[in-house]
Amino acid sequence: GENVEQHPSTLSVQEGDSAVIKCTYSDSASNYFPWYKQELGKRPQLIIDIRSNVGEKKDQRIAVTLNKTAKHFSLHITETQPEDSAVYFCAASGRNRDDKIIFGKGTRLHILP
Amino acid sequence: DAGVIQSPRHEVTEMGQEVTLRCKPISGHNSLFWYRQTMMRGLELLIYFNNNVPIDDSGMPEDRFSAKMPNASFSTLKIQPSEPRDSAVYFCASTAGGLRGNIQYFGAGTRLSVL
Repeated sequence: GENVEQHPSTLSVQEGDSAVIKCTYSDSASNYFPWYKQELGKRPQLIIDIRSNVGEKKDQRIAVTLNKTAKHFSLHITETQPEDSAVYFCAASGRNRDDKIIFGKGTRLHILP
Repeated sequence: DAGVIQSPRHEVTEMGQEVTLRCKPISGHNSLFWYRQTMMRGLELLIYFNNNVPIDDSGMPEDRFSAKMPNASFSTLKIQPSEPRDSAVYFCASTAGGLRGNIQYFGAGTRLSVL
């Protein structure tokens, strides 16, 4: 089955700097890659997703890139702000839209003042 | 829509007791997922249903765990008997299917403490 590896497990960046979180997946049939943000004590919520027919997607300060050949994808957050402090999960899912999604272990992002 | 609704929000019980967690998915969604979250193991998929039918229960840790979805608007996750190592936050999520079918909407979670 699918296995998703996520790095780093913890990341601290100065406010205003950029943060990058990287994930790899094992199943070449996976074609949907969402990213979820979980604030302390809250539920995970989708922040951005990408499908395998595109290589990059941007939404304001957040961007995701996908390299299907290498089976890795990354989340980029620019001009980080205190409210970006949270745990971020990458995930991968198969071709069937009712497929389960497999989550990485998460990255705890700290934005330093 | 009120979103995915889970109850109770917090549950404290003693080892050996039966625990039942409840979930109401978003109306019209056709898939429902149960997850367990701990610091050590992250977010683990326990079981998921599609159109009320269990599709994959390979993540259910052992026979003490069971889940049902008797209709499209209700699911339960039961632990009997409970053990201290079951202490975790349990999330339920649902997806719509269709063009945006993969987006998972999570409930607020149930924080379970087994003493």
